[in-house]
Amino acid sequence: AQSVTQLGSHVSVSEGALVLLRCNYSSSVPPYLFWYVQYPNQGLQLLLKYTSAATLVKGINGFEAEFKKSETSFHLTKPSAHMSDAAEYFCAVTPSGNTGKLIFGQGTTLQVKP
Amino acid sequence: KAGVTQTPRYLIKTRGQQVTLSCSPISGHRSVSWYQQTPGQGLQFLFEYFSETQRNKGNFPGRFSGRQFSNSRSEMNVSTLELGDSALYLCASSLPGTDGYTFGSGTRLTVV
Repeated sequence: AQSVTQLGSHVSVSEGALVLLRCNYSSSVPPYLFWYVQYPNQGLQLLLKYTSAATLVKGINGFEAEFKKSETSFHLTKPSAHMSDAAEYFCAVTPSGNTGKLIFGQGTTLQVKP
Repeated sequence: KAGVTQTPRYLIKTRGQQVTLSCSPISGHRSVSWYQQTPGQGLQFLFEYFSETQRNKGNFPGRFSGRQFSNSRSEMNVSTLELGDSALYLCASSLPGTDGYTFGSGTRLTVV
């Protein structure tokens, strides 16, 4: 069965500092992986996705993630945090083939301090 | 182009009642999935419809049901509401053969 683990339910960084949000997955088949962001009282916005092409994926708002099969990881990074990055971030996995079902991690709340 | 539209945005219902939520996908998207989001359980998959057929189902009781119409719009219904059904219900749509899911803003259901 597939699962996603996000290490750290809360991450706090200073404005301008590196953002690193961790995601590990388990999957018996090559997975498709996603990072979503959720602002208060809103839905989920897709940041980036890995679908078995390049292992380094660039997304919106300066975020990127690297798929590491040997470590079963898909960590999200951003070189310099902005105040507007404060939100909740979710990592998700789905088996290839577009089943329409995403399995989400528990989420990581990112706090950005001035 | 228009995004995924969910109506209503907010809903308050009494325990025991039933509720119907609506989701209009992006034009051309034939897959619609539903998720329940709660502070305790996080985001959980309810079900997915493709071309009016339920293709996947999560681990929820039979009180939760859905359907999809020929224009790909989808509804989900919850009968005999319980306090624990209070949640943000999100729907997502996608094109066939791709792996990008676009979410709506959700319907916040409160059961009192």
